Amino acid sequence: EAQVTQNPRYLITVTGKKLTVTCSQNMNHEYMSWYRQDPGLGLRQIYYSMNVEVTDKGDVPEGYKVSRKEKRNFPLILESPSPNQTSLYFCASSFLRDNLLGGYTFGSGTRLTVV
Amino acid sequence: DAKTTQPPSMDCAEGRAANLPCNHSTISGNEYVYWYRQIHSQGPQYIIHGLKNNETNEMASLIITEDRKSSTLILPHATLRDTAVYYCIVRVSGGSNYKLTFGKGTLLTVNP
Repeated sequence: EAQVTQNPRYLITVTGKKLTVTCSQNMNHEYMSWYRQDPGLGLRQIYYSMNVEVTDKGDVPEGYKVSRKEKRNFPLILESPSPNQTSLYFCASSFLRDNLLGGYTFGSGTRLTVV
Repeated sequence: DAKTTQPPSMDCAEGRAANLPCNHSTISGNEYVYWYRQIHSQGPQYIIHGLKNNETNEMASLIITEDRKSSTLILPHATLRDTAVYYCIVRVSGGSNYKLTFGKGTLLTVNP
């Protein structure tokens, strides 16, 4: 089954403790992206990647890092989490051909709480 | 990317067609229109996209006006499970900008 898999689904952590949220897709998609969703603010793009070793900032990249060493994986790293990063996070992937972006496939989400 | 305007909420009776409008008056010639929906706090689901011709798939139809300044997503026979937030997004097909920005969307409530 074609899917985007995020782990963990739920995470409670303390301020300053580094964490990684993993994202993996099995569709050989070139494009992957991370979003966060907060009440009243909608979905906001954090980072995206057009292919292996190619990443760029979205609208809210501060406090986050990403890497794309393999095509299927796109982990989101919070080096020093703070309470304002408490949010629902989604990973998404899509094909990217001739500059045309296909429809996203989203993961099920990771609900992160930073205390 | 062109901005979009959608009504914050709409209601529809079960079994009837749901017509969700989207205004994108500043759209340019190479910008596609994408529609997604999100049911409660699940991951958003891709529905359909188009450039200038009307499109149809198993989920919905997308009608884009001739001047491309607006579009309508049609769910032909809405069910209770179609209750969701629907997002209309426009995005350039080329260039080096691969951001995809979601707005606030339209909350569609399908009533029995």
